[in-house]
Amino acid sequence: QQPVQSPQAVILREGEDAVINCSSSKALYSVHWYRQKHGEAPVFLMILLKGGEQKGHEKISASFNEKKQQSSLYLTASQLSYSGTYFCGTETSGYSTLTFGKGTMLLVSP
Amino acid sequence: EAGVAQSPRYKIIEKRQSVAFWCNPISGHATLYWYQQILGQGPKLLIQFQNNGVVDDSQLPKDRFSAERLKGVDSTLKIQPAKLEDSAVYLCASSQNRGSVSGETQYFGPGTRLLVL
Repeated sequence: QQPVQSPQAVILREGEDAVINCSSSKALYSVHWYRQKHGEAPVFLMILLKGGEQKGHEKISASFNEKKQQSSLYLTASQLSYSGTYFCGTETSGYSTLTFGKGTMLLVSP
Repeated sequence: EAGVAQSPRYKIIEKRQSVAFWCNPISGHATLYWYQQILGQGPKLLIQFQNNGVVDDSQLPKDRFSAERLKGVDSTLKIQPAKLEDSAVYLCASSQNRGSVSGETQYFGPGTRLLVL
């Protein structure tokens, strides 16, 4: 079952904050966040694991509500380089098999 | 450390032709994934290998798609015959996994852009 991401698109000015949400209908082992720029490969940002462990970049924060089967990615003081499409990938099987959402397009303007 | 390598980067073929994509994962990574990414959507898993065994191929259209990872290192994905709806970016990813481990980071290659005319 594909996770649902919201919003579909966000436009920010440099320095503003944004929150991207990812919601699943199934119980989750982990949630993975990636950013993809146009024409490039997805780049790993963060993993949130069942039980509270997180692995990822220092400047990016995220939350994982296991009970609600939801995760949120927090982008604070946005920079131009944050522009791209953000995908969440959810793991429901424990074998590191991911199902990705449709993505949230983020555009940061000067 | 070298990343995931893929070739070719671009391919244009006519429908009903066949095509093959190659992927070399990060050295030492036991798990290899092939994804299909249609324009405007997230990557969709086609097949996942653990060493040279298949972990998940439930979304691979087996009547036309095949994949192999014979020596547990590099892998080939083939489409035969191609259809118009196969136009997409085919991404290869790898992760270190040495067993049934949850939460492993997947590292993506640059992808192969396929256009079927």
